[in-house]
Parts: sequence; structure tokens; C-alpha cells
Amino acid sequence: EVQLVESGGVLVQPGGSLRLSCAASGFTFSSYEMNWFRQAPGKGLEWVSYISSSGSIVHYADSVKGRFAISRDNAKNSLYLQMNSLRGEDTAVYYCARTSSYHDSSGNYYLRQYFQYWGQGTLVTVSS
Amino acid sequence: EIVMTQSPATLSVSPGERATLSCRASQSVSSNLVWYQQKPGQAPRLLIYDASTRATGIPARFSGSGSATEFTLTISSLQSEDFAIYYCQQYNHWPPITFGQGTRLEIK
Repeated sequence: EVQLVESGGVLVQPGGSLRLSCAASGFTFSSYEMNWFRQAPGKGLEWVSYISSSGSIVHYADSVKGRFAISRDNAKNSLYLQMNSLRGEDTAVYYCARTSSYHDSSGNYYLRQYFQYWGQGTLVTVSS
Repeated sequence: EIVMTQSPATLSVSPGERATLSCRASQSVSSNLVWYQQKPGQAPRLLIYDASTRATGIPARFSGSGSATEFTLTISSLQSEDFAIYYCQQYNHWPPITFGQGTRLEIK
């Protein structure tokens, strides 16, 4: 069974830093791209960041570029989000999610950025 | 960036009736569109991918249609557990991955 479990969400002051973790199990973590999303209280879903299976390619939403850093440790089946220079508008539940990529019978690889598997979320509150 | 627009913002429907939710993309996303259901305090649940394919375990009363810029999620006969917020998301052009703002489906 695929499981994703986020941790690390806390109350932090504006300007502070935080590192979120996402522990993966039930699948070959090193074979899948991963993403972080967030959802501010009472608001919709927002994509935050993407990382390739090897960690060599990353992408960020403009709202977090230069402040957040995504990384992974495939030996530990773990995904991370380092969050610096936090602002009030970063207050949200943060979710990790696995891509739905696959290989077809010919060995062709398809990166499908939609998400069947999500963690339960971890709440980050930025407030003084 | 592709902007996704959902309508209506809130839809009031009686149990047993049909619900039709719409999603529009600011430019063509081909069929690279999904629908999610989200209930309070829960992560999103994948319902439909590739615009019209039901995800594993999703009841047949959920159906998706459309392509390019216009998409529809139809719930044929609403059950009590279907009242939730529904989001569309495109994955044709990224980054960024973009979502609609959501449609709240409430009991009439």
C-alpha cells in the first residue's frame, strides 16, 4: 500500500525557517517524481514544487522561488521542503504527492503530473 | 501560465439528482485534465484523469468529458457522500501545475 506521511509543520515566526519531511513507503520511491502542494485555510489547492526521481531537476512556483528548496533522499525514501524567509501567506496545510508516471510495454516513459497518492498534510502557521 | 476557471462556485443539488460541474482552461490542455474531490480535513481524492477516465475505485456515477478548453464533471445521482469540493487540474503545460478555484457541491 502506498503511504506518504508528512511531518514538520509547526507555528513559526515571520522570517523564520522550517523543513518539512515526507516519508514514503509501499512503492519504489527512487522511481517516481514527487511534488509539494499547499492549501491555505479555506482556500484552494496550490502547487509549490516538483523534483525528478533522481533529484537533478526541480521546479518551483513563482510564489516560493528563491525561498523554498525541494530535495530528496532516495536511500531514506524521503522528500523534503526547506522553507526560508517565511511569510504570513505561506500559512497552509502542505501536502506531498507522487506523480502518476509509468512505462508502457515498449519501455517508453510518460511523466503524468496528476496525483492519486497524497499524504495527509502538515500544517504550517506563520505568525508572530 | 494556464488559468483554470470553474463554475459555478457553489452548486446546490438534492440527493438523487444530477450535478454538472464545469472547468474552462485559458488555452488548450488537450485531454490532460483531472478532477479531484476534497472533503474537510482530507487530502484531495483523484476521481477522473485524462479528462474522462475514472480512477481506480471511483463509482460509475462519476463521469468526465471534454477536451481542449472545456471540461465537465457529471455526477449522475448524488449520494450523501458526494457533497464536497471539486477541483480540476491541468497537466498539459507545466510548470506551473494549475488548479481551478473549486466548486462547492452542497445539499439543497
